[in-house]
Amino acid sequence: GAGVSQSPSNKVTEKGKDVELRCDPISGHTALYWYRQSLGQGLEFLIYFQGNSAPDKSGLPSDRFSAERTGGSVSTLTIQRTQQEDSAVYLCASSITTAGGRTDTQYFGPGTRLTVL
Amino acid sequence: AQSVTQPDIHITVSEGASLELRCNYSYGATPYLFWYVQSPGQGLQLLLKYFSGDTLVQGIKGFEAEFKRSQSSFNLRKPSVHWSDAAEYFCAVVPLRGYNKLIFGAGTRLAVHP
Repeated sequence: GAGVSQSPSNKVTEKGKDVELRCDPISGHTALYWYRQSLGQGLEFLIYFQGNSAPDKSGLPSDRFSAERTGGSVSTLTIQRTQQEDSAVYLCASSITTAGGRTDTQYFGPGTRLTVL
Repeated sequence: AQSVTQPDIHITVSEGASLELRCNYSYGATPYLFWYVQSPGQGLQLLLKYFSGDTLVQGIKGFEAEFKRSQSSFNLRKPSVHWSDAAEYFCAVVPLRGYNKLIFGAGTRLAVHP
């Protein structure tokens, strides 16, 4: 079956420009996560969606970062006024949610490599 | 502070040798525990997970991990390493108390010599 997909796979942008990164989760997965992987910081959590709402945004590094999810499916991570320190691989993951409200195994997409010049 | 520690940044083993990658966590209660593998240019693939029950967990690609509550550890093992196992390995936890996000260790990069 189809896994988590992300687009674009690579994005090169100039400092100060806005970028949008897209994630298509596995069909039926109600939970969706964004993570960032960079050399200096390792793998960091950014934001968690349950359906269309985001109960945990604690990992977003600044107000330049925002994300939305529509229809309980596709999510977009937007970075405004990009800075060089935003260069990283942005990973999306999705999972089912158990009856008790806990999420199960997270399945990751291939990531979007963002380079800010 | 709550954290996940992978003490070995790089490990090199010979093909056919056994492997153990260490992972320790510092949380008050037993979290959910995971090992993921990332090959160059690839996303993260789940190797195995521990939620509860039997403390020895079998995963894909011949890997296993043992949860030891007394040591707050979840070490990954493989009896005989193949050259294709060269990759970066991440231990991760989902802490209890309602958090759902994964907290990752820094990763261990495995090199395999022929």
